[in-house]
Amino acid sequence: QQQVKQSPQSLIVQKGGISIINCAYENTAFDYFPWYQQFPGKGPALLIAIRPDVSEKKEGRFTISFNKSAKQFSLHIMDSQPGDSATYFCAASAGGTYKYIFGTGTRLKVLA
Amino acid sequence: NAGVTQTPKFRVLKTGQSMTLLCAQDMNHEYMYWYRQDPGMGLRLIHYSVGEGTTAKGEVPDGYNVSRLKKQNFLLGLESAAPSQTSVYFCASRLGTAYGYTFGSGTRLTVV
Repeated sequence: QQQVKQSPQSLIVQKGGISIINCAYENTAFDYFPWYQQFPGKGPALLIAIRPDVSEKKEGRFTISFNKSAKQFSLHIMDSQPGDSATYFCAASAGGTYKYIFGTGTRLKVLA
Repeated sequence: NAGVTQTPKFRVLKTGQSMTLLCAQDMNHEYMYWYRQDPGMGLRLIHYSVGEGTTAKGEVPDGYNVSRLKKQNFLLGLESAAPSQTSVYFCASRLGTAYGYTFGSGTRLTVV
């Protein structure tokens, strides 16, 4: 019940295309869902996050879609660029708890 | 503002040797974490601390010990290194449960 399942494991997208990464969870106590972006040789960095009181959050080309009834959330990268090539992790946490549960990561490659 | 600093960045150990990884943060964060990252496994929590002088076990604590004698430092120790501990280790910190993680740039450890 503590898992966050992330798919796909890897993704190749053409420049200008839309990248979509999905995550699913079971624990209904989760109330914070961040996405992290990690470039090779670097630590993960917070990209965007959502709480379940909204169904969508957009920051520039990055959008989180949240489906509370399905217990799923996804990251959409519009107009994908080669500079977006990185590993993306979804995560979830329950209010007042000290730690995140991370997905297993998606390696995105955007072809020029 | 350095954020989260990890030392060393790279290390090769022989089986049975010991070592300590140092994490230092200058953001006055309460919570600190040690994760390991392995291909296909995502980020797995080793140990964490919710304040100076406190530590707690994460998902994969066996073979590791930690100490948080000062608020700004979180040390990860390997008493007798094993090849299974070959990994990239990330330290992270956060101000509180309502905030995201700030990660360090990682330590790549190889045990031969």
